[in-house]
Amino acid sequence: DAGVTQSPTHLIKTRGQQVTLRCSPKSGHDTVSWYQQALGQGPQFIFQYYEEEERQRGNFPDRFSGHQFPNYSSELNVNALLLGDSALYLCASSRGATGPNQPQHFGDGTRLSIL
Amino acid sequence: GNSVTQMEGPVTLSEEAFLTINCTYTATGYPSLFWYVQYPGEGLQLLLKATKADDKGSNKGFEATYRKETTSFHLEKGSVQVSDSAVYFCALSNDYKLSFGAGTTVTVRA
Repeated sequence: DAGVTQSPTHLIKTRGQQVTLRCSPKSGHDTVSWYQQALGQGPQFIFQYYEEEERQRGNFPDRFSGHQFPNYSSELNVNALLLGDSALYLCASSRGATGPNQPQHFGDGTRLSIL
Repeated sequence: GNSVTQMEGPVTLSEEAFLTINCTYTATGYPSLFWYVQYPGEGLQLLLKATKADDKGSNKGFEATYRKETTSFHLEKGSVQVSDSAVYFCALSNDYKLSFGAGTTVTVRA
């Protein structure tokens, strides 16, 4: 039973560039959430996708956008990268139809470094 | 809005010592509460959960009780092992997203 998988593992970009991160949810899960974890801090919620729509969004600028595909996999796109975007980006999946407050299962993350 | 405050670390213990990490929260309604653990270089793993007041979550020797009157969800383990060295996050959810504390780094020495 495959868990949540994310790619790539590491990524190095320069300021102003654009980046796309990918996530495949755990088998049987249909909801994908994205979190940003800065060094030494707890993860911060970016947004959540369910039924290919953005269901909820955290306090992140429009430079952060996403997409969910019919197979439930998801992408996180960040435009006009800033030094402050350097972080570990975590994807989490859950079963959306069962309602809120469900445990979320996390991938190992993508470490994004901005030079 | 939602917020989670947990005990600042780092915490250093000897093997077989008692561990407690304090966690308090602010939220509207009736949130579910979670403890997640993060080992070096890995993502977060769900350690335990509680969905209503007075529920006790437990797993791998860890326990936490949902205390609505004190808005707390403290994590405890009676006898830690070196393999318990990790960062521990308290989190809540009362909608579709998780709100996390800042994390507590625990190091257990043999």
